[in-house]
Amino acid sequence: QSALTQPPSASGSPGQSVTISCIGTSSDVGGYNYVSWYQQHPGKVPKVMIYEVSKRPSGVPARFSGSKSGNTASLTVSGLQAEDEADYYCSSYAGSNNFVLFGGGTKLTVL
Amino acid sequence: EVQLVESGGGLVQPGGSLRLSCAASGFTFSNYDMHWVRQATGKGLEWVSTIGTTGDTYYPGSVKGRFTISRENAKNSLYLQMNNLRAGDTAVYYCARATPSNAVDLWGQGTMVTVSS
Repeated sequence: QSALTQPPSASGSPGQSVTISCIGTSSDVGGYNYVSWYQQHPGKVPKVMIYEVSKRPSGVPARFSGSKSGNTASLTVSGLQAEDEADYYCSSYAGSNNFVLFGGGTKLTVL
Repeated sequence: EVQLVESGGGLVQPGGSLRLSCAASGFTFSNYDMHWVRQATGKGLEWVSTIGTTGDTYYPGSVKGRFTISRENAKNSLYLQMNNLRAGDTAVYYCARATPSNAVDLWGQGTMVTVSS
């Protein structure tokens, strides 16, 4: 199966907003509202930031938001803070054959 | 405390086998689908397998026929039997709890598997 497509890098200055895209197909991102986003700091375990396209788990700042249009999902981080610098991965349910797909990851740099 | 603790990683030769275990605590293990997810050093996350609450199993093509996921609810334990290991299987393997939408809301700390001669 093919991984979801993410840009390898993104950046923004403190206080700015940045959007990371996640491109899939009608068999995964476009076919289900089961997209999730994970934040991973170096040497740490991933942490879910968004699930079911746009829902935020308890404790995740409202600065993090998710959306989807067609086969592309997006994670927007508003009001960038230094601690937001990390790798971000999208994931989607992909049906009973492929089940779970991850994106290749995006390294977010806060300038 | 709600947690997942993996064990069983190590160094194995190509073609060899290894069995990973994951001990769950602090939640009703039998109520959750469970994943194994791996991450090679410096690389991204890769789904390895999933087992449902009723024992249904799912694998990507890269490990199908070589890896077997299983669970023992009475022992709150998840397993991954890995056979015919290849260099490309070298990674940190995470045990992960799935939400109803197959997101991961709880990760173990990971166990390192190295396949090398």
